[in-house]
Amino acid sequence: GIQVEQSPPDLILQEGANSTLRCNFSDSVNNLQWFHQNPWGQLINLFYIPSGTKQNGRLSATTVATERYSLLYISSSQTTDSGVYFCAARWAAGNKLTFGGGTRVLVKP
Amino acid sequence: DAGVIQSPRHEVTEMGQEVTLRCKPISGHDYLFWYRQTMMRGLELLIYFNNNVPIDDSGMPEDRFSAKMPNASFSTLKIQPSEPRDSAVYFCASSGRGYEQYFGPGTRLTVT
Repeated sequence: GIQVEQSPPDLILQEGANSTLRCNFSDSVNNLQWFHQNPWGQLINLFYIPSGTKQNGRLSATTVATERYSLLYISSSQTTDSGVYFCAARWAAGNKLTFGGGTRVLVKP
Repeated sequence: DAGVIQSPRHEVTEMGQEVTLRCKPISGHDYLFWYRQTMMRGLELLIYFNNNVPIDDSGMPEDRFSAKMPNASFSTLKIQPSEPRDSAVYFCASSGRGYEQYFGPGTRLTVT
């Protein structure tokens, strides 16, 4: 079946550090989204990025669809960045999102 | 604009009882999705609707689960009878023609 894999599974950062999260997918995608699940369980949209690069404040994302991966960059991390980051991909058939297993991020003060 | 609304936020019930989860999608969105999140299986799609019609229910675990969307602003996910292994967080999400999905706050279900 179609696979979405994220790495690393866990990440511990000191406040102020930068980091890169990776999402690999097994086939060409029509839609790639990044979400942040905060410690209260809410899933917050970060980026809708089927290709190219987008930036939003300290966060940016790049998707290289032809090479089947996406990267999420966190710069100058803050404790509020803690939580689980998910990528999710949609393929051409239907409108189903397949989620990766997530990267659990802990930012220490 | 209000986001996706789900109720209840928490539900505790005994095994064998019927459970009904409710969702109001974002106004104007024509896709609605039900997901379940557990530690073991992560986030998995149960069923999704387009224009109130079920399109893909291949993720519904068994006949105890059913979902309806009687109109564009309301959907229910029903579990009857409930079992302890149904304990999870259930999310509803909606999207418009742009396909970006927006999630509700979730319902945490505990079946004892």
